[in-house]
Amino acid sequence: AQSVTQLDSQVPVFEEAPVELRCNYSSSVSVYLFWYVQYPNQGLQLLLKYLSGSTLVESINGFEAEFNKSQTSFHLRKPSVHISDTAEYFCAVGNSGGGADGLTFGKGTHLIIQP
Amino acid sequence: SAVISQKPSRDICQRGTSLTIQCQVDSQVTMMFWYRQQPGQSLTLIATANQGSEATYESGFVIDKFPISRPNLTFSTLTVSNMSPEDSSIYLCSANGYTFGSGTRLTVV
Repeated sequence: AQSVTQLDSQVPVFEEAPVELRCNYSSSVSVYLFWYVQYPNQGLQLLLKYLSGSTLVESINGFEAEFNKSQTSFHLRKPSVHISDTAEYFCAVGNSGGGADGLTFGKGTHLIIQP
Repeated sequence: SAVISQKPSRDICQRGTSLTIQCQVDSQVTMMFWYRQQPGQSLTLIATANQGSEATYESGFVIDKFPISRPNLTFSTLTVSNMSPEDSSIYLCSANGYTFGSGTRLTVV
């Protein structure tokens, strides 16, 4: 069985400040890892993913996440946030052994950008 | 990556009725997944739909309540049966393991 822990339910940050959203996972098998963003009253958008290769993955809008196998973490970071980054962020884990099990999601972190 | 079209995007339904949600993928995929997102909550996997076999349901979800069809490699439907207000949620389909449709926002009154 897999599980995901997002340690912070809410993270308030001032605009242009850096932010880190924490995600830890538990799994007995090799994993794929994902971050999704959900803007108010909208669907789920894939922000970035780790499938294999480089442990540092980046998105087109300045977010990055690093897969740390020893610490079973996949924290999301951005060096300078904007008001438009206000959203709910979900970390998810999947089984890399075939993708037949679906994803397990964390409870989400609400990123609140303060002007 | 796959593009998924899901409809309806939203609906308001009377309790006791059923709603069928459709999910169309622009390429052939082996596995499709259905998730529920209750208000203010995270996503929970309802079931996995593999073409040519019955869907596999997660604990807490049953076929009588959430029947699923998977007639071919690009299409699936989820029916929410005999609805009650507790079924008010966003329902999402997924393909290729991590690509999601835009979701169906269901309100039961």
